[in-house]
Formats: sequence, structure tokens, C-alpha cells
Amino acid sequence: SYELTQPPSVSVSPGQTASITCSGNKLGDKYVCWYQQKPGQSPVLVIYQDTKRPSGIPERFSGSNSGNTATLTISGTQAMDEADYYCQTWDSSIVVFGGGTKLTVL
Amino acid sequence: QVQLEQSGAEVKKPGASVKVSCKASGYNFTSHHMHWVRQAPGQGLEWMGIINPSGGYRNYAQKFQGRVTMTSDTSTSTVHMELSSLRSEDTAVYYCAREQYQGASCWGQGTLVTVSS
Repeated sequence: SYELTQPPSVSVSPGQTASITCSGNKLGDKYVCWYQQKPGQSPVLVIYQDTKRPSGIPERFSGSNSGNTATLTISGTQAMDEADYYCQTWDSSIVVFGGGTKLTVL
Repeated sequence: QVQLEQSGAEVKKPGASVKVSCKASGYNFTSHHMHWVRQAPGQGLEWMGIINPSGGYRNYAQKFQGRVTMTSDTSTSTVHMELSSLRSEDTAVYYCAREQYQGASCWGQGTLVTVSS
């Protein structure tokens, strides 16, 4: 079965750029979405189709996808961005989630 | 605005079944498939399956084949997810989420299902 691999944790200083990776076999041939989940809340879609932001998502969130790796980039990271982030794709009509990355802003 | 309102928390005994509901509003109910995703305590997101609310198409994750049934009621704009033969490992928050952009653009508030003897 298809697998997506994320680092368990990433740390960033306020105002700096955070990058969260998601790896999978030939992932660049698929579309990737990214979700933000804060404690006790439902996930929120922040990036879809690799690079697009839904309405209401700040411009500091961006995405890329090439080769075997997709990346979520948060520019000018704010304290409010501290959360768990999950990547997601489709493989053979099945949805696959990455294991999640805890972003700490310190 | 788009809203997905889920049914309340449940406590079940091992071996029992649970049925979670998700009522949609603010959009054309039959225009978007609906995912079901669960999250065990302290764990990540796990996809369970997807249903076309218009009827017919369903696709379940292999892990849940034979134990999960997803249905829809277009008269009430509600989808249901029933999970049978519950075990302690099924203790989790269960989410419905509207399919859009090959992802899930809107999520319900989640329903906590606790399986305990």
C-alpha cells in the first residue's frame, strides 16, 4: 500500500520560514493536500492541488510538489501557526494521509 | 455557509455497533462526495472511506472492509457511518469531511466514540 512519510516534528522561530516535507514514491505525479490541526479542533485544509490556497488561508502558506517530495512552506511563521500538519494524497482510489508533523514555534 | 453537524458522543461495549451521523447544510448535498476519517487519541488521521451522497458509489479502506457501512439520506442531507464489531482500538474521534479539490475542504466537529467494557 502507498505510504506518505513526514518528520514527526519541526521547530521554527517566530518570523522565520518553516518547511514541512512529505515523501512518497513518485509523489510528484499525484496531487497533494495539506491540513492544519490545532489541539481539540477539526483539521483545516490549507493547501490543495499541491500549490493552491483555499479562501481565507493566509498567503504565508504555500506548497510545492516534485519528484518524491511535497513541501508545505510557512513564511513569516506566527505563534498561531503552531499545530499538527498532515499531508494527503490519493492512490488507486484510496485516500492516504501522512503521519503528521508537529510544528513548534519557539 | 457550509456546515457539517455530527451526532453526539457515544460509549459502546466491545462487540457492539455504532452509527454516527453527519448533517450537511449550506451547499448542494449531492454535489460532493463525503469522506469519513478517524483519529485515535494522540494519533494521526486515518481514512475510512468515501460515499457519493447521490447513492451507489462507496469505497472503503481495506482495513474496514466488512465492518463499515456508509449510507446517505438525501431527504435530510445526512450521511451515516456505521462501524460494527467494535473493539477498544476503535476508540477515536470520527469525522465526516466534504470532498473537494481531491481533498477535504470542510470537516464536521467530530464525534467521540469510546469502546469500553
